[in-house]
Amino acid sequence: AQSVTQPDIHITVSEGASLELRCNYSYGATPYLFWYVQSPGQGLQLLLKYFSGDTLVQGIKGFEAEFKRSQSSFNLRKPSVHWSDAAEYFCAVGAKGRRALTFGSGTRLQVQP
Amino acid sequence: GAGVSQSPSNKVTEKGKDVELRCDPISGHTALYWYRQSLGQGLEFLIYFQGNSAPDKSGLPSDRFSAERTGGSVSTLTIQRTQQEDSAVYLCASSLVMGMTYNEQFFGPGTRLTVL
Repeated sequence: AQSVTQPDIHITVSEGASLELRCNYSYGATPYLFWYVQSPGQGLQLLLKYFSGDTLVQGIKGFEAEFKRSQSSFNLRKPSVHWSDAAEYFCAVGAKGRRALTFGSGTRLQVQP
Repeated sequence: GAGVSQSPSNKVTEKGKDVELRCDPISGHTALYWYRQSLGQGLEFLIYFQGNSAPDKSGLPSDRFSAERTGGSVSTLTIQRTQQEDSAVYLCASSLVMGMTYNEQFFGPGTRLTVL
């Protein structure tokens, strides 16, 4: 069965600083990888996804993520964080033949002015 | 067009009562999913519908939980004899299904269930 680990429960960055949120997955084949963001009281919004091809994927709101098979990682990055990026971020993995997503435990991002 | 909607947005119930949570998926989305988000367990998959059938119900935590979908559209998640550990946010999502392609799941705002 697949699993997802987000090692950082809570991260605080200053506005304008760069950001990297870590995600490691466990799955025997090439996974389908996703990053979702959840603002307080809101549902989950898809930031980006990786299915195949170019390992660096661009998403909405200036986010990008890089798939590294050798490290089983799919870290989320943003060059310059805005106060509105404060939210909880979830990494998720989908497996071929199974439609359900397996989510990591989430990373809560706080942005300092 | 409209996104995924869920009702009620909040539900407070007493231990032992039954509750029904409703999900209206995006029109035309044949796949529908229920997830549960709780403090101790994070985001957990509950059940997946393709049309009106549920090929994957592996995440339902006990036989007190059931779900149905009618007309390939609205779904209802029912929790019987609620327990305090059922307190969580119940999220619904829907997606297109096109062959073996993995399609984005669009999430609703959730129903916050509190069992007293």
